[in-house]
Amino acid sequence: QSVLTQPPSASGTPGQRVTISCSGSSSNIGSNTVNWFQQLPGTAPKLLIYSNNQRPSGVPDRFSGSKSGTSASLAISGLQSEDEADYYCAAWDDSLNGWVFGGGTNLTVL
Amino acid sequence: QVQLQQSGPGLVKPSQTLSLTCAISGDSVSSNSAAWNWIRQSPSRGLEWLGRTYYRAKWYKNYALSVKSRITINPDTSKNQFSLQLNSVTPEDTAVYYCARTHDGYYDFWGQGTLVTVSS
Repeated sequence: QSVLTQPPSASGTPGQRVTISCSGSSSNIGSNTVNWFQQLPGTAPKLLIYSNNQRPSGVPDRFSGSKSGTSASLAISGLQSEDEADYYCAAWDDSLNGWVFGGGTNLTVL
Repeated sequence: QVQLQQSGPGLVKPSQTLSLTCAISGDSVSSNSAAWNWIRQSPSRGLEWLGRTYYRAKWYKNYALSVKSRITINPDTSKNQFSLQLNSVTPEDTAVYYCARTHDGYYDFWGQGTLVTVSS
């Protein structure tokens, strides 16, 4: 059971906009920034969003992040077949004194 | 560009010690702005942070409660690397293990991952 809660799956058609939620608590998302990762099969997670809504260099602006209270969201607009992957959220937890991750959301492009 | 290169055995017997090393290039394990983490991933447990070490005028270490009694993460400044030791392993410790750097509160560089299987 992951500390951060994500829907196990999401789907959309090419060109569509999809959002993935990440729910936490006051000790993690409520008081620290959120990272979002994309993971393709057999590879390490790749940073997509940091500090809730910042994109690293090279990440398309189709990816965006937001945070409100103890929840965060990742939005992908203009969905492409190459976006089919697993997506994870993560945040530091002040009570656990460690990083916590979401259980991951498997995105299917129909 | 920071690169993290993992090494270590892919098969460990139950009750023995899992040992992995992460060699750093493009940064220093003694950096005052980075932390060096170990994370594992398995189908049953998902992504699980195990612990970290970092230097801020002295060395600090944090460990996840789930493995705190069995884990040691050590920096090696002479080789610019850090290591993971996990004692008394069971099949539940079978996972892909990653080393990763955090900088300013985010994970920017990851190792390639090592599948470690605990089996006799």
